[in-house]
Amino acid sequence: SHELTQPPSVSVSPGQTASITCSGDKLGDKYACWYRQRPGQSPVLVIYQDNKRPSGIPERFSGSNSGNTATLIISGTQAMDEADYYCQTWDSSTVIFGGGTKLTVL
Amino acid sequence: QVQLVQSGAEVKKAGSSVKVSCKASGGSFSSSFSNYGINWVRQAPGLGLEWMGDIIPTFATTRYAQPFQGRLTIIADESTATAYMELRSLRSEDTAVYYCAQNLYSVMEPRHAFHVWGPGALVTVSS
Repeated sequence: SHELTQPPSVSVSPGQTASITCSGDKLGDKYACWYRQRPGQSPVLVIYQDNKRPSGIPERFSGSNSGNTATLIISGTQAMDEADYYCQTWDSSTVIFGGGTKLTVL
Repeated sequence: QVQLVQSGAEVKKAGSSVKVSCKASGGSFSSSFSNYGINWVRQAPGLGLEWMGDIIPTFATTRYAQPFQGRLTIIADESTATAYMELRSLRSEDTAVYYCAQNLYSVMEPRHAFHVWGPGALVTVSS
């Protein structure tokens, strides 16, 4: 079965660029999306179809997907971006989530 | 924009069953519910997201993740725009927050991204 691997944690200084990776076999041949989950809240879709932003998501959120790796990029990271981030794709009609990455802004 | 409202927290004994509801409101009522998959995703305390399965209300077709096959049932009532998830033979490892989430893509597009999430329902299984 398909698996998605994310780093458990990423740290970034305010105003800098954060990159969170998601690795899976031939992930670039599929679409990837990303969710942000703040403590005690439901997940929020921040990127879909590799690099599209839903309405209401700031332009500082962007994404890419090629080869075996999808990447979520947060430019000009703010304190409010501190959260857990999950990548997601699907394979053979099964939805797959990555294990999640805790983004710390310090 | 569709909103999803879920039933409340539950405390269950090991071996019993739980049924969680997910009611859609807002949007262009009927088509915004019937033609978009409703998915169930759970999150155990301190852990990540786990997809359980989904239903396409207009066709009543379901898919279940392999770990849940045989003890999970998902149904949808189009007349009330409500989906239900029933998990049977509960064990302590089923203690989690259970979310429903609507697919961004309609039934005509075989893609999955969840753009609307319910608030979650905490299910606690005690032995």
